[in-house]
Amino acid sequence: QVQLVQSGAEVKKPGASVKVSCKASGYTFTSYGISWVRQAPGQGLEWMGWISVYNGNTNYAQKLQGRVTMTTDTSTSTAYMELRSLRSDDTAVYYCARATLSAGIAVLLDYWGQGTLVTVSS
Amino acid sequence: SYELTQPPSVSVSPGQTARITCSGDALPKQYGYWYQQKPGQAPVLVIYKDNERPSGIPERFSGSSSGTTVTLTISGVQAEDEADYYCQSADSSGTWVFGGGTKLTVL
Repeated sequence: QVQLVQSGAEVKKPGASVKVSCKASGYTFTSYGISWVRQAPGQGLEWMGWISVYNGNTNYAQKLQGRVTMTTDTSTSTAYMELRSLRSDDTAVYYCARATLSAGIAVLLDYWGQGTLVTVSS
Repeated sequence: SYELTQPPSVSVSPGQTARITCSGDALPKQYGYWYQQKPGQAPVLVIYKDNERPSGIPERFSGSSSGTTVTLTISGVQAEDEADYYCQSADSSGTWVFGGGTKLTVL
């Protein structure tokens, strides 16, 4: 069965970086994309971006451009999301999700990871 | 980028029909998608491409689209449907946006 297993919770200081991993299993990793979505405490979902595993194409949310990088390692079927220059308002649960692609563009998310809490605090 | 607007809350009695709307200027040209999220859980896709239902999603969940609005309809609402619901769409370049979410309360 399809599973996405994320790395554990992180506590970071302002200005630091965090890298969250998402290990996929149960499907052909290169046939889909991976999207990252975050949710601040008590708030709604915020789309961060997606990456096509097949060709590495990415599409990042404008507000995160320059601070976020999404990558994949096809040898281990693992996706990564790195966020730099962390601020307190980056405190959130970060989800990875499998993205179905259409014409190379992510169109829907059908399987999600369990979420990773990232806390940014001095 | 653009925005998707949802009502913050909708309340309905068990067995009644709940309708949750989502408005956005790009919706006449782009599909709408709906995700259900229960407390402490990851979201679940319940409607894709305006009105398609993934396997495993009960038939009481349906979707529709008209102009700049997509609507999620839950017929015969059950207590287990109480959750937050988010609409989502994208522009032609694949840049996504989520609506602010609607809390469905089953009275």
